[in-house]
Amino acid sequence: GAVVSQHPSRVICKSGTSVKIECRSLDFQATTMFWYRQFPKQSLMLMATSNEGSKATYEQGVEKDKFLINHASLTLSTLTVTSAHPEDSSFYICSASWQGHGYTFGSGTRLTVV
Amino acid sequence: QKEVEQDPGPLSVPEGAIVSLNCTYSNSAFQYFMWYRQYSRKGPELLMYTYSSGNKEDGRFTAQVDKSSKYISLFIRDSQPSDSATYLCALNYGQNFVFGPGTRLSVLP
Repeated sequence: GAVVSQHPSRVICKSGTSVKIECRSLDFQATTMFWYRQFPKQSLMLMATSNEGSKATYEQGVEKDKFLINHASLTLSTLTVTSAHPEDSSFYICSASWQGHGYTFGSGTRLTVV
Repeated sequence: QKEVEQDPGPLSVPEGAIVSLNCTYSNSAFQYFMWYRQYSRKGPELLMYTYSSGNKEDGRFTAQVDKSSKYISLFIRDSQPSDSATYLCALNYGQNFVFGPGTRLSVLP
């Protein structure tokens, strides 16, 4: 149980375009999902906390207008990187809380902006 | 002082060795303790989850928590090359969830 599916696993886009990443909890309901960014050989950096039916809470320094988060249902949260630039190239990972304590992660999305 | 400290490594061991990975933390409010394994370009995978001081064993993995010392460990017995990955400790209380920076482990055949 407690599987989180993230899609796509890899995406290449042109600078200036937008990219949407989906995160689904497959066998449980996730009222809260988290979005992280990870640069090579660095730890996970929390970007925002996504709550079903309400606005996401962004960490300091994360542009909410650039990283749009939508958590429209208990099983789906999306992250849209708007007007992507090469510096947005990174590994994006979502996670969801299950049973209030454990956190299950998606498999990640490698975004390359060219 | 950082909330969670973890030696980033890299740590290289020969196949079959016992590996000890450690984290220290400063906030005594943390109640739940987890270890994740992350292979390159993959999402972290939950390995162990515990909430009390003492040892918890699962196959070749043993998680150890010492709340009085604010110290947690993950031991890997009979390490295999497939164990080569980054290992992250994670601590939680309430809505607060903190990762260690991760230790890169290489098990050499």
